[in-house]
Amino acid sequence: QITLKESGPTLVKPTQTLTLTCTFSGFSLSTSGVGVGWIRQPPGKALEWLALIYWNDDKRYSPSLKSRLTITKDTSKNQVVLTMTNMDPVDTATYYCAHILHDYGLDYWGQGTLVTVSS
Amino acid sequence: VIWMTQSPSLLSASTGDRVTISCRMSQGISSYLAWYQQKPGKAPELLIYAASTLQSGVPSRFSGSGSGTDFTLTISCLQSEDFATYYCQQYYSFPWTFGQGTKVEIK
Repeated sequence: QITLKESGPTLVKPTQTLTLTCTFSGFSLSTSGVGVGWIRQPPGKALEWLALIYWNDDKRYSPSLKSRLTITKDTSKNQVVLTMTNMDPVDTATYYCAHILHDYGLDYWGQGTLVTVSS
Repeated sequence: VIWMTQSPSLLSASTGDRVTISCRMSQGISSYLAWYQQKPGKAPELLIYAASTLQSGVPSRFSGSGSGTDFTLTISCLQSEDFATYYCQQYYSFPWTFGQGTKVEIK
């Protein structure tokens, strides 16, 4: 059974760096074809893909946010960490992590964590 | 960047109706398209991947079709639990992109 759960601060101040952790179970990030992605959703708005990391450490980023994002994995801890620098109120959103298997899309999602950016 | 046009943005329907949602790409993506259902306050759930393959556990009233640039999600007989927002997503090339969503509401 695959599960993922996001954790991190619920409130950050403008200009601060956000660090989110995705802790998962039921799969290994050392298995060929497997990846973990991050997606966010501002309140009342559509989904936005942010970044992903594959089993072979291949990393991909949204071009519009690439300068602010870093994604890493810790295979031994079954965790993926996303950092986003220079947070702004427009970054207020629910942040989700999701499991990726080759050509199957985002097939398992975490429950999401709401991050509010406010002074 | 592959741009996606999802339509309609709002669909009013009744239980038992057949509904279709469209997703059009700015360039061809073969069949690298997924459909998700999202209910208020919940994470999205995968319904269909590879344009037409039903995810395990998803009712057969959901179906997907299309390839290249034009795709469709069809719900053959709308049930009460199907009132939700639906998103298409391409994973043919980076950056992955989502449609703007279609809210299916009770007529």
